[in-house]
Amino acid sequence: SQTIHQWPATLVQPVGSPLSLECTVEGTSNPNLYWYRQAAGRGLQLLFYSVGIGQISSEVPQNLSASRPQDRQFILSSKKLLLSDSGFYLCAWSVLQVHQPQHFGDGTRLSIL
Amino acid sequence: AQTVTQSQPEMSVQEAETVTLSCTYDTSENNYYLFWYKQPPSRQMILVIRQEAYKQQNATENRFSVNFQKAAKSFSLKISDSQLGDTAMYFCAFATSGTYKYIFGTGTRLKVLA
Repeated sequence: SQTIHQWPATLVQPVGSPLSLECTVEGTSNPNLYWYRQAAGRGLQLLFYSVGIGQISSEVPQNLSASRPQDRQFILSSKKLLLSDSGFYLCAWSVLQVHQPQHFGDGTRLSIL
Repeated sequence: AQTVTQSQPEMSVQEAETVTLSCTYDTSENNYYLFWYKQPPSRQMILVIRQEAYKQQNATENRFSVNFQKAAKSFSLKISDSQLGDTAMYFCAFATSGTYKYIFGTGTRLKVLA
């Protein structure tokens, strides 16, 4: 069966520090991968998605970036965090066809001090 | 632009009663898919139900069913015999063939009262 792992679960970082959140998928090949941000009490904002190794589509211009160094690994990064980067970050995967649902990781709660 | 609208930020329902959550969407596409996700306080996103736009029959999953009105671009979720464990944020989502993006609504926070 397929599983998705996302870590860390919780992260507290000072403003201006770097960020690296990692997501890995097991049990499937060539998944579509996604990073979302969920602000407190709000919906999901799509940040990045990838349909293949090295292929990244950005939805929202900001100081975050994403990379996909391996087929089932998706990394969200920042060189310098802002206060506005606080939130709940979710990684998700799906098969190529969108008639199948997305499957989500457990999320990372990021607090910027 | 494709959008999903959930007009009810918060709702409450008595245990064992029935509640309907609304969702409308906007698209010019004819082939698409709709989903309802549940996010309990644990924050884990869980698929509740999905519907293919080409199917006229409404999807059902145990106590959960949808009322899909394609012409009206409406996709509401009905929860029957509500249970305390149904307390969660519910998100409506939409995806079209030919794209890889899933568009989410802003969510409805549902509280089931004992």
